[in-house]
Amino acid sequence: GENVEQHPSTLSVQEGDSAVIKCTYSDSASNYFPWYKQELGKRPQLIIDIRSNVGEKKDQRIAVTLNKTAKHFSLHITETQPEDSAVYFCAATVKAAGNKLTFGGGTRVLVKP
Amino acid sequence: DGGITQSPKYLFRKEGQNVTLSCEQNLNHDAMYWYRQDPGQGLRLIYYSQIVNDFQKGDIAEGYSVSREKKESFPLTVTSAQKNPTAFYLCASSISQSYNEQFFGPGTRLTVL
Repeated sequence: GENVEQHPSTLSVQEGDSAVIKCTYSDSASNYFPWYKQELGKRPQLIIDIRSNVGEKKDQRIAVTLNKTAKHFSLHITETQPEDSAVYFCAATVKAAGNKLTFGGGTRVLVKP
Repeated sequence: DGGITQSPKYLFRKEGQNVTLSCEQNLNHDAMYWYRQDPGQGLRLIYYSQIVNDFQKGDIAEGYSVSREKKESFPLTVTSAQKNPTAFYLCASSISQSYNEQFFGPGTRLTVL
């Protein structure tokens, strides 16, 4: 089955700096890669996603890049703000496998004012 | 966010008791999912259902059971066979197994006393 590794597990950045979170996956058939943000005690919220036919996607201060050959994808947050502090999860799924999401272990991001 | 609901928000159980967690959605989604989240860890798939009256085991199904008698409802029963049930349980849904984005409910925090 699919295995998703996520690094780092914790990330502390100064407000205004950039944050980068990296994930690798094992199943070359994976074709959809969402990123979720989860605040303490709350539900995960989708912040951006990318499909396997695209190399990069941006949405304001957030961007995701995908390298299918190396089987890794990354989340980039620019101009970080204190409200970006949360736990971020990457995930991967294979359409043929019933759209089951396999999640990475999460990255706790702390943005220091 | 109001499209998928879970109840109760907090649940306490004595060892040896079965408990059922509720998940309801009014999004007309075909697919529904149950995940377990332990402190500081990612989400792991317990069960999923792609259509009414059908469901499949996820990665950690032992000690759990589900039913899908109605499209809008996917209850999860945590049985006494689950050795370490204390966790945060999240339900999710997606339009179908072919549409990847999953929307999460607010979660139920289960504590075994």
